[in-house]
Amino acid sequence: QSALTQPASVSGSPGQSITISCTGTSSDVGSYSLVSWCQQHPGRAPKLIIYEGTKRPSGISTRFSGSKSGNTASLTISGLQADDEADYYCYSYAGSGTWVFGGGTKLTVL
Amino acid sequence: QVQLQESGPRLLKPSETLSLTCTVSGGSVITYYWSWVRQPAGQGLEWIGRIYSSGVTNYNPSFKSRITMSIDTSENQFSLKLTSVTAADTAVYYCARLSTGIQPWGQGTLVTVSS
Repeated sequence: QSALTQPASVSGSPGQSITISCTGTSSDVGSYSLVSWCQQHPGRAPKLIIYEGTKRPSGISTRFSGSKSGNTASLTISGLQADDEADYYCYSYAGSGTWVFGGGTKLTVL
Repeated sequence: QVQLQESGPRLLKPSETLSLTCTVSGGSVITYYWSWVRQPAGQGLEWIGRIYSSGVTNYNPSFKSRITMSIDTSENQFSLKLTSVTAADTAVYYCARLSTGIQPWGQGTLVTVSS
């Protein structure tokens, strides 16, 4: 069970859009519609922002959106705001009751 | 709303057993999966395992020989035991509810392994 691959860092200016990729394999991301994304601010617990690939929990801004193509899932944040600066992790169901995380991406709002 | 709180010893010596309990309030542990996730300082999240309210478990293969998860539906708690700890097990340990996403999360508890 290998970690999903995310870029270590991305950056963008306020108001811009950014996309974070999350690449897995045909055994995890490619096989299930069960990719989630969470946001983690320093010293805080992670917070779910996308589940089942494209769905937003109640209270999560529509500026956050998810998609998937083949073995790669993506998180797009539009209209970047200063408070979006955080670490973002993808994770996926990997079969046999197991889940796997990506390595995380640090988003810097310039 | 559902809230989770981790508890247990924060300082262990190498070779000892890590034991953490997660107390769930504002909801029942029944009919959900519950997970443990850890995060070493400055590093990413690592899924440790999950337990269903029936007691059925699934573990990250990386931990399989050292890990036991259990659940007490009468106390609305679930627990993690990790044997033979080393410095590499030093991390913030989170408990969380697992559905098609992980939410909510506990605040996390730092467990340090040091001689």
